[in-house]
Amino acid sequence: QVQLQESGPGLLKPSETLSLTCTVSGGSVSSGDYYWNWIRQPPGKGLEWIAYLHDRGGTNYNPSHKSRVTISADVSKNQFSLKLSSVTAADTAVYYCARGLLIRGIFWFDPWGQGTLVTVSS
Amino acid sequence: DIQMTQSPFSLSASVGDRVTITCRASQSITRYLNWYQQKPGKAPKVLIYGASSLQSGVPSRFSGSGSGTEFTLTISSLQPEDFATYYCQQSYSFFTFGPGTKVDIK
Repeated sequence: QVQLQESGPGLLKPSETLSLTCTVSGGSVSSGDYYWNWIRQPPGKGLEWIAYLHDRGGTNYNPSHKSRVTISADVSKNQFSLKLSSVTAADTAVYYCARGLLIRGIFWFDPWGQGTLVTVSS
Repeated sequence: DIQMTQSPFSLSASVGDRVTITCRASQSITRYLNWYQQKPGKAPKVLIYGASSLQSGVPSRFSGSGSGTEFTLTISSLQPEDFATYYCQQSYSFFTFGPGTKVDIK
């Protein structure tokens, strides 16, 4: 059973770069036809997809954040990571990593990590 | 961008009630629509994918229907563990979520 776990700093100052890592257990970031995603949720608000990494090397980004976001994988550690530059208070959110499945053209997120709260404050 | 809306914003219901939540897309998304349940402090969990396919392990009281721009999630008999917030999500063009519908106890 695949499990995902986010890790990274919980507090950043404005203009810094957010760096988060998702460790995958019970499966491999380099096997199968999966997409490895970052999704965030500001406190008390809805969900926003940020980016995905396909295990055959492709990436895709939410156009709203494309200029600030980088997603990458470390196959040796079975991890994938998110970098978001020039953060502001608007980037304060719980950040989730999630596996994406694409079957018969239908794409959904399952499972999700437990999430990690990142706060941007001076 | 494809915008998703949900109605109602929130609802109060009793155990045993039949509950229906509606999700609308700003343009046709055929059947590329999924439903998630989120409980406070927890990650979302997929219930329905492809508008009407029940995710493995999800109770059969949950069902989904619709196509094009209008979709519904139905809980046939609300159970205590179903009080949560429900989100729809489209995957026709990138991925966007609806604003959520909170189901609480009446």
